[in-house]
Amino acid sequence: GENVEQHPSTLSVQEGDSAVIKCTYSDSASNYFPWYKQELGKRPQLIIDIRSNVGEKKDQRIAVTLNKTAKHFSLHITETQPEDSAVYFCAASKSRNQFYFGTGTSLTVIP
Amino acid sequence: GAVVSQHPSRVICKSGTSVKIECRSLDFQATTMFWYRQFPKQSLMLMATSNEGSKATYEQGVEKDKFLINHASLTLSTLTVTSAHPEDSSFYICSARLTSGNTGELFFGEGSRLTVL
Repeated sequence: GENVEQHPSTLSVQEGDSAVIKCTYSDSASNYFPWYKQELGKRPQLIIDIRSNVGEKKDQRIAVTLNKTAKHFSLHITETQPEDSAVYFCAASKSRNQFYFGTGTSLTVIP
Repeated sequence: GAVVSQHPSRVICKSGTSVKIECRSLDFQATTMFWYRQFPKQSLMLMATSNEGSKATYEQGVEKDKFLINHASLTLSTLTVTSAHPEDSSFYICSARLTSGNTGELFFGEGSRLTVL
């Protein structure tokens, strides 16, 4: 199946700074790349996604970039706030029945 | 957004017993549901893809006789951990896609924390 790698595994930033999380995938047929945020003890929630026909997508303080040639995509969070602290997962999908997650990044925003 | 409900949220059982976890899509029909296992501070490991009306597709290394999946209707998939052992203790979480196409948001259940004594 697809192999999704995510870096870094942990990330600490000062409040107001930016955070960047990167993911690579192995299957060039993957065409959908979402990012999920999981707060402690809660279910993962979609925060942003991008499809392979788009190179960049932005939603307020969150943006995602995709490089299909290099098979990597990144999550960018600007002006971080303490409530951004959570575990973030990237994922890759190429068909309805396949959905693979990265290893997760634990983000801590220090007030 | 769509709602996926999972039950029970917590279960404690004795070693050797079987435990059933239910995953329901409350306001949409889900022909496909995914079952994940999550260890503390680790990622979501795909165990199997549950397909309504047909056999589940298991990921490599997941014992299909150990983790029985049944997807009898468009709104319900069940995961049964058979003859559970302490190493099966984990957080199990299901999810379903809203759209019929190959992309689209994945909605998660609340998760079920299994503790095997």
